[in-house]
Order: sequence, then structure tokens, then C-alpha cells
Amino acid sequence: DAKTTQPTSMDCAEGRAANLPCNHSTISGNEYVYWYRQIHSQGPQYIIHGLKNNETNEMASLIITEDRKSSTLILPHATLRDTAVYYCIATIAGGTSYGKLTFGQGTILTVHP
Amino acid sequence: ETGVTQTPRHLVMGMTNKKSLKCEQHLGHNAMYWYKQSAKKPLELMFVYNFKEQTENNSVPSRFSPECPNSSHLFLHLHTLQPEDSALYLCASSPGLAWEQYFGPGTRLTVT
Repeated sequence: DAKTTQPTSMDCAEGRAANLPCNHSTISGNEYVYWYRQIHSQGPQYIIHGLKNNETNEMASLIITEDRKSSTLILPHATLRDTAVYYCIATIAGGTSYGKLTFGQGTILTVHP
Repeated sequence: ETGVTQTPRHLVMGMTNKKSLKCEQHLGHNAMYWYKQSAKKPLELMFVYNFKEQTENNSVPSRFSPECPNSSHLFLHLHTLQPEDSALYLCASSPGLAWEQYFGPGTRLTVT
């Protein structure tokens, strides 16, 4: 799996967009980028994933740079309930790697009133 | 509510005890996972089961013994644990081996 690098922590005002960056400069062509979050005292929650194209769902948007070396998770209107640790994971499609999520330290996002 | 339940939510056990953690998923998934989250450390994958067959043991000590009697249930049997095994143990499931996984709330284990 490609190594990912995320800032340790970020702050965001409630109602504003939260933009969480992730660097994955060693990502290979068949590695997806997955985002999870973990709210305090809960299990991780899947948010979104992508390969090359930008993706959007009801929770967030994922913007992947053209060279795929970095990506940004966007929470368009952050709420206090979005305060959590956000994990960016790059993982290989195929072979024996399916399902083997490798979590890093993630980014602690704090949303302020 | 993710459709994955874990019991108990909290467990305190002595080093000579034997206990079991239970995970049940109501999502019709075929793959189930155990993860460990120690304080100040990232989540670590422990075991993977697909269609009741173990497909991954991530060098986990034998004092942790998983059991998957069917695709809906996963157990983690614990015996002669060490204080450093105190952690949050998380179960997850997915429809086949996949990276989009649904996690339970975890069992907070304290070994005294």
C-alpha cells in the first residue's frame, strides 16, 4: 500500500467547508484512496473512495489531483457532529490485499461553534 | 447503527481469566474482521474471515483465538492476556473481501 500523510489536526468553524488534505505521492495506478472517520468512542465509518475521478456522495466530496499524488476530502457544511479523526487510506485493487485496511494516525478535525 | 453489534461493550478481566468477545452482523455480509486499537496507536488488522474461512492472521499471539461459526457471527476468545492487550477491539464486516467495511462500536477491554 502507498503511504499516506495527513496533518495531525485541523480546526473548522461550524457551517463552513472542511477541507482535509492527504498526500499519497507514492500511489500506484491501481491503488484507490479511501476515507474513513472515527467519532470518539465509536467504530470507524466509511465516507467515500476514489481512483482517478472526483467523487461525491451524501456525506462528502473527494477531489483527487490529476497526478494522483494527493487528494482532499471536503465536508461542505461542517457540523459539530463532524468532529472526529479522519483517515485517508490508499490500497491496492486485487491480489491478496482485498479487505486489509491499513490505518494511519489520521487527522483530528475539530469543528467549533 | 451500522448493523454490526458487539458484546460486551466493556470488559475487565484478569490475566488468568478466559473470556470471549462477540460480534454479530445483520447486513448479509460474507466477510468479517477483527481490529485492535490501542491507546495512541493506529487501528491494526488482526484477523480476516471470508465465508467462514480465515484468510488472514496478522501475526496475532495465540492467546487471541478467533472463531467464525457462520457468516453472521464472529468471536474472539481471550485467555491469559497481558496488560498491554488492553485496547478497543473492533469488529467489521463487508460483502465479500472489500475495503468498504462496516464497523461495530467496539469492546473496550481492560486487562488487570
